[in-house]
Amino acid sequence: DVKVTQSSRYLVKRTGEKVFLECVQDMDHENMFWYRQDPGLGLRLIYFSYDVKMKEKGDIPEGYSVSREKKERFSLILESASTNQTSMYLCASSFLAGFNEQFFGPGTRLTVL
Amino acid sequence: AQKVTQAQTEISVVEKEDVTLDCVYETRDTTYYLFWYKQPPSGELVFLIRRNSFDEQNEISGRYSWNFQKSTSSFNFTITASQVVDSAVYFCALTSYNQGGKLIFGQGTELSVKP
Repeated sequence: DVKVTQSSRYLVKRTGEKVFLECVQDMDHENMFWYRQDPGLGLRLIYFSYDVKMKEKGDIPEGYSVSREKKERFSLILESASTNQTSMYLCASSFLAGFNEQFFGPGTRLTVL
Repeated sequence: AQKVTQAQTEISVVEKEDVTLDCVYETRDTTYYLFWYKQPPSGELVFLIRRNSFDEQNEISGRYSWNFQKSTSSFNFTITASQVVDSAVYFCALTSYNQGGKLIFGQGTELSVKP
């Protein structure tokens, strides 16, 4: 079975803190994605990556950055957390070919106070 | 522009009722794929089905069935004889060749099945 794991299920941080969200997949997928999920808005793509050290902006990249130093790991970084970044963050991975289903992790619910 | 609309925000049914979740999409691409995902209370999205734009055959998998109609740009999902375990948020999503594998999600429909 494909396994996508995220470092924390729940996280509470203070405004201005630097926050790292980690995602690891064990299926040798080339693609990895970070989404945020907010009520009434569905899932919105923050960043994605097709390969190691490669990244592409999604629909809402402002306030976020990413790092992919190894194929299996994709990190989302909030350089200076703000209250409007309180959300559920979901990581996903898929094979490179564009139409394959994405496999999701359990999500991290981040609260910024 | 690509867009997916799930007009039903919440649906509540009683166990054993049939329920249909609507999904309407917009795309100018001729080659595209549609997906349905289930998000149970645990939070992890579970892949249910993928359909390509050249295959309009309806699909049935147990109590689940999908109706894909290009003429109305819809990809509706029906659960027959619903069960409490079907309670979840369901997302419809779209991708196409020009999206490079990125999924465009609808807003989601929260289904509540009461015993």
